[in-house]
Amino acid sequence: KQEVTQIPAALSVPEGENLVLNCSFTDSAIYNLQWFRQDPGKGLTSLLLIQSSQREQTSGRLNASLDKSSGRSTLYIAASQPGDSATYLCAVMFPSGTYKYIFGTGTRLKVLA
Amino acid sequence: SAVISQKPSRDICQRGTSLTIQCQVDSQVTMMFWYRQQPGQSLTLIATANQGSEATYESGFVIDKFPISRPNLTFSTLTVSNMSPEDSSIYLCSARRTGTGGPTNEKLFFGSGTQLSVL
Repeated sequence: KQEVTQIPAALSVPEGENLVLNCSFTDSAIYNLQWFRQDPGKGLTSLLLIQSSQREQTSGRLNASLDKSSGRSTLYIAASQPGDSATYLCAVMFPSGTYKYIFGTGTRLKVLA
Repeated sequence: SAVISQKPSRDICQRGTSLTIQCQVDSQVTMMFWYRQQPGQSLTLIATANQGSEATYESGFVIDKFPISRPNLTFSTLTVSNMSPEDSSIYLCSARRTGTGGPTNEKLFFGSGTQLSVL
């Protein structure tokens, strides 16, 4: 069964700290992996998409890496800010006829001022 | 990117009634999806909304309970029928526009969600 897991479920850090969020998946044969941010009561905002042929993607203070062989991705947030407080979800597109994503359960991040 | 407008943003409904959620995309998209996010949980795909044909439902979801329409490339509706308190969730519309790189090369965009509470 194809599954996506995120650890930790919740994380609280002081402002300015660099942090890493983890995502693991059960099948290394993926098409791509996408990281999202979700604010309370809101929809999801796409942060970064990594193709299966790529090792990492960067956008501003965010860097996402992908290691298919170990079934892992990490989202690195540099110099965290209170505005980064949100739930971060990773989603994996496994090979299938429908190109659908399977979502992880998310990491709830709180950055303290 | 695509901007997705979803309404209503929230509703409180009585048991046994139905609610229709609307999703409007600002540009033509090839794929539209409906997700459910139950309290404290991640997203579960309900169905893929197909333009001009019946939606493709995931295991555990049926058309009688979640009828879906997609009359054109920019609009879709999801109806939650004969609601019970167990249907209380956030319902999310999403879309993907397939570019030159194929369906694996496009980001998934989401509406702001509909917070549904069933009493």
